[in-house]
Amino acid sequence: SQTIHQWPATLVQPVGSPLSLECTVEGTSNPNLYWYRQAAGRGLQLLFYSVGIGQISSEVPQNLSASRPQDRQFILSSKKLLLSDSGFYLCAWSVYPIGEQYFGPGTRLTVT
Amino acid sequence: SQQGEEDPQALSIQEGENATMNCSYKTSINNLQWYRQNSGRGLVHLILIRSNEREKHSGRLRVTLDTSKKSSSLLITASRAADTASYFCATVLYNTDKLIFGTGTRLQVFP
Repeated sequence: SQTIHQWPATLVQPVGSPLSLECTVEGTSNPNLYWYRQAAGRGLQLLFYSVGIGQISSEVPQNLSASRPQDRQFILSSKKLLLSDSGFYLCAWSVYPIGEQYFGPGTRLTVT
Repeated sequence: SQQGEEDPQALSIQEGENATMNCSYKTSINNLQWYRQNSGRGLVHLILIRSNEREKHSGRLRVTLDTSKKSSSLLITASRAADTASYFCATVLYNTDKLIFGTGTRLQVFP
């Protein structure tokens, strides 16, 4: 069966510090991968998605970036965090781009 | 940009009652999906309904889709306290491959 892992679960970082969130998927090959951000009490905002290694599409211009160094690994990064980067970050995967998505447990990021 | 909007924003019911949540969207879709999110957790996919389908069932869940009104509803029958969660609709816009989420309905089921 397929599983998706995200770490860390929670993170408190000062403004201006770097960020690296990791997501890995097990039990499937060539998944479509997604990074979302969820503000408190709100819906999900798509940040990045990837249909293959090295293929990243950005949805929202900001100081975040994503990389996919391996087939089942998706990394969200920032060189310098802003207060507005605080939120709940969710990684997801799907078999088909328009099909159901399967979400990881999320990372709660607080920028202080 | 927000494509789907759920109504109501919050819903409180007693165990055993039915819960109905509605979702409206703005543009043509390929499919519409419903997800559930327990507090502080990831989302769980519940059901997908294609644009050429009108109704779908899964256990105690019933989803309808009216493309002429650009709306969908999720019915949870015989609700349980464990159904307490936020429910989101998400649409795949026609000719795209992105899932756009609504703002969600917070459901509270009291025992």
